[in-house]
Amino acid sequence: AQTVTQSQPEMSVQEAETVTLSCTYDTSENNYYLFWYKQPPSRQMILVIRQEAYKQQNATENRFSVNFQKAAKSFSLKISDSQLGDTAMYFCAFTQNYGGSQGNLIFGKGTKLSVKP
Amino acid sequence: DTEVTQTPKHLVMGMTNKKSLKCEQHMGHRAMYWYKQKAKKPPELMFVYSYEKLSINESVPSRFSPECPNSSLLNLHLHALQPEDSALYLCASSHWTGGSYEQYFGPGTRLTVT
Repeated sequence: AQTVTQSQPEMSVQEAETVTLSCTYDTSENNYYLFWYKQPPSRQMILVIRQEAYKQQNATENRFSVNFQKAAKSFSLKISDSQLGDTAMYFCAFTQNYGGSQGNLIFGKGTKLSVKP
Repeated sequence: DTEVTQTPKHLVMGMTNKKSLKCEQHMGHRAMYWYKQKAKKPPELMFVYSYEKLSINESVPSRFSPECPNSSLLNLHLHALQPEDSALYLCASSHWTGGSYEQYFGPGTRLTVT
């Protein structure tokens, strides 16, 4: 069974600094997708970034980038120039990509990030 | 428009009540999902609909009854709930099932069962 582990329940960072959130996963599959979702206190879950397992290049979205290490099954999120609006719960998620996968997202337990002024 | 809407935002119901949660999307997505999220926990998948047909039911108790009247709407009918069912209920949609299509989430309905 696939599992996703986020080992940092809470983290904090000063505004404008850089922070890295960790995520590891376990799967025997070779074709899958990884996501980071953000859920601010207002509660709407927002997709931050996604990574296709077959791509070696790390995904980037503005201030957000990932370090995808397929062999190590590691998928960390780096937030540069942290802003107060980045304060949220961050969930790492995994899904397989084959016909019968149904798009089931397997979530980690989340990391609560606080950005301090 | 990448919006998934959910109504109501908050719902308080007694254990003998019948109520419904509604979800709507106009992105042309053919897969829709219901999740349950307890405080400080990740979402847990309840149901998956693809092309208006129920494709996954994650062993959810029968007091939760999903319905997909058309490709844009998803309902969750609630009956005889228990206090432990109090949670945030999230709806999501995606173009199709399969990992290559990211899921877009609605803001959720905060349900309290008294």
